[in-house]
Parts: sequence; C-alpha cells; structure tokens
Amino acid sequence: GQQVMQIPQYQHVQEGEDFTTYCNSSTTLSNIQWYKQRPGGHPVFLIQLVKSGEVKKQKRLTFQFGEAKKNSSLHITATQTTDVGTYFCAAGSGNTPLVFGKGTRLSVIA
Amino acid sequence: NAGVTQTPKFQVLKTGQSMTLQCAQDMNHEYMSWYRQDPGMGLRLIHYSVGAGITDQGEVPNGYNVSRSTTEDFPLRLLSAAPSQTSVYFCASSTYGQGGYGYTFGSGTRLTVV
Repeated sequence: GQQVMQIPQYQHVQEGEDFTTYCNSSTTLSNIQWYKQRPGGHPVFLIQLVKSGEVKKQKRLTFQFGEAKKNSSLHITATQTTDVGTYFCAAGSGNTPLVFGKGTRLSVIA
Repeated sequence: NAGVTQTPKFQVLKTGQSMTLQCAQDMNHEYMSWYRQDPGMGLRLIHYSVGAGITDQGEVPNGYNVSRSTTEDFPLRLLSAAPSQTSVYFCASSTYGQGGYGYTFGSGTRLTVV
C-alpha cells in the first residue's frame, strides 16, 4: 500500500531556532495534510494542501506542497516551547483513507 | 459541540478478555476510522467506515471488529485481547475519506493488556 516517509524522526532545537520536517511519497498525491500532537494528547488538524507548488502560512508555520505533488514540508520559524510535540503528515490519494507518516517529534530547549 | 468522544480513556485487560471501545461523533460526519498508535510506528489504520452500514479493513485489522449501525457511533471490539494490542487507540471522523476538511480525533483510549 501507499507509504509516506517523514524525516527526521526526532529534532531537538534551542528556543528561537528554526525547524523543518519533510514528507515524501513515491506516488502522486491528491492532497497532503499536517497534524500536530502535543505530548499525551491527540492529533489536531493544522492544514491541507491540494495544489501543486502550494504554499500556506499560519503565523510562524509555513507549509509547502511540491511541484510534483509527491513531497511536502512544514517549517517553523523561531521555535517556541509551545511548538513542542509530534508533527504528522498525512497523504490523500484517490478515494482511499489518509495514510499517516510516522511523525517528527520536536523538542524545544528553553 | 462535543466533537469525537471516546470511552473509556484508560483500560487494563487480561489476556483473552474482550471489550468494546466506544466512539461517538456529533458532527454528522460520514467517514469514521480507528487508528492505533505505538511508539515509533505513527498512526496505523485498523478499520474505517464511509457511512452507516459500510465498513472496511485498514492496515492492521486482525483481532478487531467494527460495525456502523448509525452515523454517530463506530465501536471497536477486541475479540480476545493479546499483549500485542497494548496501544493508544484513536477514533477519527471527517466529512469524507480523504479528510477533506481534516480529521477530527477523539482524545484516545489507552489500553494495556496484561
């Protein structure tokens, strides 16, 4: 079945540093979604990207969808302790359920 | 709006016992699904449903049953619990399968099988 590879698995940053996580698929995707899960919590939907080359911003978070619709990235500028958690990408293709990446766990050192 | 409600929040089972994890949503979402989350494994799909009376298997369906008699409810049954089923279980719903407006997740059930 379809798989999405997400890297890195872990990232430790100093508060104020930038952070990026990447999501890659071997097949063309219909859409890609990003979720955040705080420690001990449940995944929360952040955003969906649908168009080739699409870029969306939410405050310090920037989301990109690749031109070939096979990869995506989430970039956080000037991380804060509130950014701690695991970030998941989830890929949509055709009418099948979303396939989630394994996530990137972000730790922020104050 | 309550969103997606999962019960119980915590459960300890003995090997061989059966139980049902409850999931209810009040958003009139057609699509509902169950995931399990294990360390380093991300979210793996167990079963899903695109509407009342329709269910299908996901990536890891063995040992689990589901039914969808109403739009609101999507219970997950463990037939004979095994230690390998120790995990955190999340129920999620959306307007349709690709999560057009994003999945809404419940707060999870933390299950330990001893």
